[in-house]
Amino acid sequence: NAGVTQTPKFQVLKTGQSMTLQCAQDMNHNSMYWYRQDPGMGLRLIYYSASEGTTDKGEVPNGYNVSRLNKREFSLRLESAAPSQTSVYFCASRAQISGNTIYFGEGSWLTVV
Amino acid sequence: KQEVTQIPAALSVPEGENLVLNCSFTDSAIYNLQWFRQDPGKGLTSLLLIQSSQREQTSGRLNASLDKSSGRSTLYIAASQPGDSATYLCAVSPNTGGFKTIFGAGTRLFVKA
Repeated sequence: NAGVTQTPKFQVLKTGQSMTLQCAQDMNHNSMYWYRQDPGMGLRLIYYSASEGTTDKGEVPNGYNVSRLNKREFSLRLESAAPSQTSVYFCASRAQISGNTIYFGEGSWLTVV
Repeated sequence: KQEVTQIPAALSVPEGENLVLNCSFTDSAIYNLQWFRQDPGKGLTSLLLIQSSQREQTSGRLNASLDKSSGRSTLYIAASQPGDSATYLCAVSPNTGGFKTIFGAGTRLFVKA
């Protein structure tokens, strides 16, 4: 069972470069999420997609864009990377609104120099 | 705005000890609360999910309680083992909209053999 798969696992970017983090889930879940995790701050929601075709901002959306390509895939794009975006990024999915367990990917370690 | 706090930030106990991790939240209008485990360099794994109408959930040596009115949850770990060493996070999902699950910063647990 693959669950939630994220790529790449590790990435180093120079300030101003762009990149896309890819996420796919094989559990037929409706909702998908992108979080970032920084030391001492827990996970903060960047963007979420309640269902295919919809996306909404979370707590810290600035500097990011997302695309819900289809029900399986939800990508996160950094258009012009900044050192403040150095973090660990997690993709997650859930079957329905709130009522079900959230499943997480293994994380993507991003360093912006 | 919902805020989730976990105390203590870190905890070290000898093997075999029973322990309690605490989670508090500021807005009692929640749909559910989840406890997660995170191993170093890994994603989050769901341990227990408590719906707002429930008082507790149990899984093996783990027991999670929920007191919505006081905005508190506890995770009780019985007979701790070195394999329990990890970071434990709690997360609450609101009952309005339901997508913006908010996480605490976590408690880092170390169980000494």
